[in-house]
Amino acid sequence: QVQLQQWGAGLLKPSETLSLTCAVFGEPFSGFYWGWIRQSPGKGLEWIGEINHNGNTNRNPSLKSRVTLSVDTSKKWFSLKLSSVTAADTAVYYCARDTTPSSYGSGSYIVWGQGTLVTVSS
Amino acid sequence: IVMTQSPATLSVSPGERATLSCRASEIVSSNLAWYQQKPGQAPRLLFYDASTRATGIPARFSASGSGTEFTLTISSLQSEDFAVYYCQQYNNWLYTFGQGTKLEIK
Repeated sequence: QVQLQQWGAGLLKPSETLSLTCAVFGEPFSGFYWGWIRQSPGKGLEWIGEINHNGNTNRNPSLKSRVTLSVDTSKKWFSLKLSSVTAADTAVYYCARDTTPSSYGSGSYIVWGQGTLVTVSS
Repeated sequence: IVMTQSPATLSVSPGERATLSCRASEIVSSNLAWYQQKPGQAPRLLFYDASTRATGIPARFSASGSGTEFTLTISSLQSEDFAVYYCQQYNNWLYTFGQGTKLEIK
């Protein structure tokens, strides 16, 4: 059974870069898309983007210019960087694995990390 | 694509049936998922592809719909079912979620 464990800085100042990493425990790593979703009281659940083991990505167009997704297949880690954060980026960030293996992303997420609260404040 | 869930809050007694609705602003075919979320927890996938039950989800949960109208039904509510439920579409490359329906004990 696949499990995800995520970590990263929880308090940022405006203009800094958010950095989160998610480790995958279990198999397989290949074949799936690994995503990031955030949840804030004001905007609800918001999809950020996803990446597969080959580095192919799908990203939310509204965040695309600030989002960098990366993957380390040797460690079975995947990471999110969000640049130039503002208070509007304050949220709980989740990593997740999509439901069925595919070459393009299956769209729904069946395995989730525990979530990381990221607060942006001066 | 905007996903609209109704009602925002649903009050139901244990043992009764609950019906939750989700409407898409555009056709999403069957590219829709339902999640359950309890306080302090990550969302839990209930259904994907509109009506395919995820592993381990009890049979009292069912889902239906296609196009723009979708329904999640819980046939006989158990205490552990009181939570917030979200729908999510993945018909295009901007996955979007509904605002949620809070299912509370009447």
